[in-house]
Amino acid sequence: QSALTQPASVSGSPGQSITISCSGGSSDVGAYNYVSWYQHHPGKAPKLMIYEVNNRPSGISNRFSGSKSGNTASLTISGLQAEDEADYYCSSYTSSRTLVFGGGTKLTVL
Amino acid sequence: QVQLQESGPGLVKPSQTLSLTCTVSGGSISSGSYYWGWIRQPAGKGLEWIGRISTSGSTNYNPSLKSRLIISIDMSKNQFSLNLSSVTAADTAVYFCARGIPGSGRFDYWGQGTLVTVSS
Repeated sequence: QSALTQPASVSGSPGQSITISCSGGSSDVGAYNYVSWYQHHPGKAPKLMIYEVNNRPSGISNRFSGSKSGNTASLTISGLQAEDEADYYCSSYTSSRTLVFGGGTKLTVL
Repeated sequence: QVQLQESGPGLVKPSQTLSLTCTVSGGSISSGSYYWGWIRQPAGKGLEWIGRISTSGSTNYNPSLKSRLIISIDMSKNQFSLNLSSVTAADTAVYFCARGIPGSGRFDYWGQGTLVTVSS
């Protein structure tokens, strides 16, 4: 199975908004509303930020939001803060009853 | 609060079997309809889903690893395990274990990860 496609890097200034895309196909992102997003600070455990396209787990700031259109999902972070600087990964359930991750996006807060 | 901790050898020789265990604390591995998964991250690369097991023992594996992979669960020890045979340098990675939510595809609790290096 092929990894979902994410931009390698995005950047933004504090207070700004950024969006990270996650492109898949008709057998994964396009087929199910089972897209998740994780924040990963190197050396730490990944942290679930969004699940089922646009749901936030308890304790996650409403600055984080998710959406999906066709075969592409997106994560938007508004009001960027220095602590948001991390790697972000999307994942999707697939028609083969497996999961697939995106290649990851490095977010830099300028 | 559920916690997961990976354990196992940090160094494995090529062609041998990589074996890791994930110990779950703060709750019973058999309670609830969760599944238990493994994910890895080679140095400088992204996350790769390895596979998962349910409390009923049902498994799903990454097709690229399926021929070499066995994931098992031991509810009496509150643990689940990963065995990856015939390893090569390409299997060098940080390995994470995580708890998954059925019908969602999400992992809500993760271990800190453990580095496994394949080298002679």
